Amino acid sequence: KAGVTQTPRYLIKTRGQQVTLSCSPISGHRSVSWYQQTPGQGLQFLFEYFSETQRNKGNFPGRFSGRQFSNSRSEMNVSTLELGDSALYLCASSLNGQGASGYTFGSGTRLTVV
Amino acid sequence: GESVGLHLPTLSVQEGDNSIINCAYSNSASDYFIWYKQESGKGPQFIIDIRSNMDKRQGQRVTVLLNKTVKHLSLQIAATQPGDSAVYFCAENAGGTSYGKLTFGQGTILTVHP
Repeated sequence: KAGVTQTPRYLIKTRGQQVTLSCSPISGHRSVSWYQQTPGQGLQFLFEYFSETQRNKGNFPGRFSGRQFSNSRSEMNVSTLELGDSALYLCASSLNGQGASGYTFGSGTRLTVV
Repeated sequence: GESVGLHLPTLSVQEGDNSIINCAYSNSASDYFIWYKQESGKGPQFIIDIRSNMDKRQGQRVTVLLNKTVKHLSLQIAATQPGDSAVYFCAENAGGTSYGKLTFGQGTILTVHP
């Protein structure tokens, strides 16, 4: 069974630009969560989507947004990029995002802001 | 201010030894815990999980112990192999409305010498 697919794998953007990252969850999984991983802050939760609705949100500025489509695929967008947004962005797929439902991660998108 | 990189704890063992990686968690409401392994350039890979109504769970070569009294989690790897070299993270979910949100520890770097 296919795992979690994130595209693109690598991205280089300039400060001030915006970027959109994509995540396709495991077939049948309806919850998608996004995380930012940096050497300085570790892995931090951005937000979670289920049935096209954002149910949970971490402590990130409004420049970080997301959405989910009816097929459960999710995108996250970062507007007005800053150098500090350079990070590995990971998404995690789960059946329903509740309790002990298990969370499977993709390989991530490595974003570099120059 | 300037961000400071996380100084990850390190554990260095010889091939064939048993390894123990520890994790302290802060949220007494957390009821689900997962250990992940992350290799360079990859996303976190699920190792084993445990619910708060258990204090021990065993998998293939791995055992997770949970001590809720002191909010401590440990991962034991038997007969450690060079392929086990990676960064290991514990993660917790608080259940309830913590949809899709995992709170990660800072990670431990495991190095296995042949």
